Amino acid sequence: DVKVTQSSRYLVKRTGEKVFLECVQDMDHENMFWYRQDPGLGLRLIYFSYDVKMKEKGDIPEGYSVSREKKERFSLILESASTNQTSMYLCASSLIGLAGGVNFGPGTRLLVL
Amino acid sequence: GQNIDQPTEMTATEGAIVQINCTYQTSGFNGLFWYQQHAGEAPTFLSYNVLDGLEEKGRFSSFLSRSKGYSYLLLKELQMKDSASYLCAVSLITGGGNKLTFGTGTQLKVEL
Repeated sequence: DVKVTQSSRYLVKRTGEKVFLECVQDMDHENMFWYRQDPGLGLRLIYFSYDVKMKEKGDIPEGYSVSREKKERFSLILESASTNQTSMYLCASSLIGLAGGVNFGPGTRLLVL
Repeated sequence: GQNIDQPTEMTATEGAIVQINCTYQTSGFNGLFWYQQHAGEAPTFLSYNVLDGLEEKGRFSSFLSRSKGYSYLLLKELQMKDSASYLCAVSLITGGGNKLTFGTGTQLKVEL
């Protein structure tokens, strides 16, 4: 079974702080994704990566950046957290071409005060 | 851009059949996924369609018509545990790979 782990289940940060959300997968997947999920808006893609050091913007990249220095790890960075970034953040991974679908981590619920 | 539409809520009776529809308007379409998400949990994969037609997997079936930009998920012999959100997601070819874009989900409530 693919395992996707996220560094924290719950996180509380202050406005203006720099926030790092870490995601690790153990199945040698090429693709990794970061989504946020908000009531009424569903899952929205922030960024994704199809290879080490390669990244592509999703539908809502503003206010976020990402880093993929190793194949198994994909980090989401909030350079200066704002209250509208309070959300559930879900990381996912998949084989190239999305074969077998994407596998999600358990999520990180971030509260920005 | 892309647009994925599915009903917000549906209610059905235990033991019945329910069909959840999804329509999409996208460029670079490369396949359609259905996911199930229980409250407080991460989404889990249900089905994948890349060619037109019906894919059956136990009590769950999914249908795709690429020419109509239409898919449905069919759940048979509904059980209470099927109460969940069902997410339609479209795979799109991009410059670097494939990205997966989700609809807002259909909240299914199964009643006695």
